[in-house]
Amino acid sequence: ELKVEQNPLFLSMQEGKNYTIYCNYSTTSDRLYWYRQDPGKSLESLFVLLSNGAVKQEGRLMASLDTKARLSTLHITAAVHDLSATYFCAVEGTSGTYKYIFGTGTRLKVLA
Amino acid sequence: DVKVTQSSRYLVKRTGEKVFLECVQDMDHENMFWYRQDPGLGLRLIYFSYDVKMKEKGDIPEGYSVSREKKERFSLILESASTNQTSMYLCASVNRGPSNGELFFGEGSRLTVL
Repeated sequence: ELKVEQNPLFLSMQEGKNYTIYCNYSTTSDRLYWYRQDPGKSLESLFVLLSNGAVKQEGRLMASLDTKARLSTLHITAAVHDLSATYFCAVEGTSGTYKYIFGTGTRLKVLA
Repeated sequence: DVKVTQSSRYLVKRTGEKVFLECVQDMDHENMFWYRQDPGLGLRLIYFSYDVKMKEKGDIPEGYSVSREKKERFSLILESASTNQTSMYLCASVNRGPSNGELFFGEGSRLTVL
């Protein structure tokens, strides 16, 4: 059974600091997705990582995927208040099953 | 833009009532999903569908059923609502291809069962 773990679950950081959110998963998968959720809102897609070694960057966020280690990271550079949100990673199960399993989420609060 | 519309943003029901949550997508997506979101538990997959009239159980299907009579519509049914089904329900859809696969979510339906 595919399990997806994120850590930390909560993260409070100062503006301008760097930090990394980790996403581990338990079975083989070569597709991983990152989403952002603002309070009271639904999820929006941030990154789609489709192969081992994939790296995507958007503004102050950078995501990477290591399929051998079954690990993805979401790195935040010089955090700003607008990045405060909950971040989820999701992994697709065995290719072709279309079963997407989500982590528990990381609630990020950036303090001014 | 892809639009996934959930019929009700907020519902309040009584224990034992039958509840229908409807979801419609306008981008001809093959795959549709129902998740529930609870604090500290993230999103948990209830059911998904990869074609009309086809459905697969997710990780927590107990107490739920689904219907997909048309490609654009995926309904979640609670036959007899219970208080432990109080939650936020999220519908999503996707057309998974070689260079994409991200889910598109609706705004969510917050269900309270009294």
